[in-house]
Amino acid sequence: GNSVTQMEGPVTLSEEAFLTINCTYTATGYPSLFWYVQYPGEGLQLLLKATKADDKGSNKGFEATYRKETTSFHLEKGSVQVSDSAVYFCALPAGTETSGSRLTFGEGTQLTVNP
Amino acid sequence: GAGVSQTPSNKVTEKGKYVELRCDPISGHTALYWYRQSLGQGPEFLIYFQGTGAADDSGLPNDRFFAVRPEGSVSTLKIQRTERGDSAVYLCASSLTSGYNEQFFGPGTRLTVL
Repeated sequence: GNSVTQMEGPVTLSEEAFLTINCTYTATGYPSLFWYVQYPGEGLQLLLKATKADDKGSNKGFEATYRKETTSFHLEKGSVQVSDSAVYFCALPAGTETSGSRLTFGEGTQLTVNP
Repeated sequence: GAGVSQTPSNKVTEKGKYVELRCDPISGHTALYWYRQSLGQGPEFLIYFQGTGAADDSGLPNDRFFAVRPEGSVSTLKIQRTERGDSAVYLCASSLTSGYNEQFFGPGTRLTVL
C-alpha cells in the first residue's frame, strides 16, 4: 500500500527563520497529499493539500508542492512564528480512491519556534 | 458549525476492564474513521465506516477491539479486556463521503490502562 516517510525531528528554529520539513511518499497512482498540524492540546487539523502532480498547496504562509519526479511533498515556510510551534504530519490515502481512503501518516515532526 | 466531538476526553481504567469511546461526527458526514496515536507517533488507522457498515476494519489489532455505528452517525469504539499496551490517544475523524475528501478530526480520547 501507499506509504510516507517524514524527516525525523524535533526541529528548533528562531522566529523568522526559514522552515523545511521533508516528506517523501510511495504510492500507486497519484493520490492527494496532505499536511496536518497538531497544536498543543488540540486535535489534528488539515494545514494544506495538493490533489495532483505539480499542484502547490498553501495556507497560513506554509506551502508544499506535489512533485512526482522526486515523490516528495516538502513543507516550507519563509518566516516562522512562535505560534507555528506544533507537530506536523505528512499524510496520504492508504489505498485507492474507491477504498475509503483511510490516511497513512508519517511519524510527525515536532517544531519549536523560539522568540 | 460543530466539529467532531469525542467523549470522554480522558479515560483511566485498570487492566482487564472494558471501555467504550464515543465519537460524534460532523452532521451529514457519511464516512467515519477511527485512528490510534501512540506517543511520538503518527495516527494509525483502525476502522472505517461508510454509513452504518464497517467498510474496512483491517486496522483493528485483535478481536478485543470492536466498533459500531448503528444509525450512521455516532460511533462507539469498544475495547474488551484492556491491556497496558492499549494506552494511546484514540482519534475519530469524519468526511463528507469516502474517497479523497478532507477528514476532520476530533480532539481525541486519551486512554490510560493501569
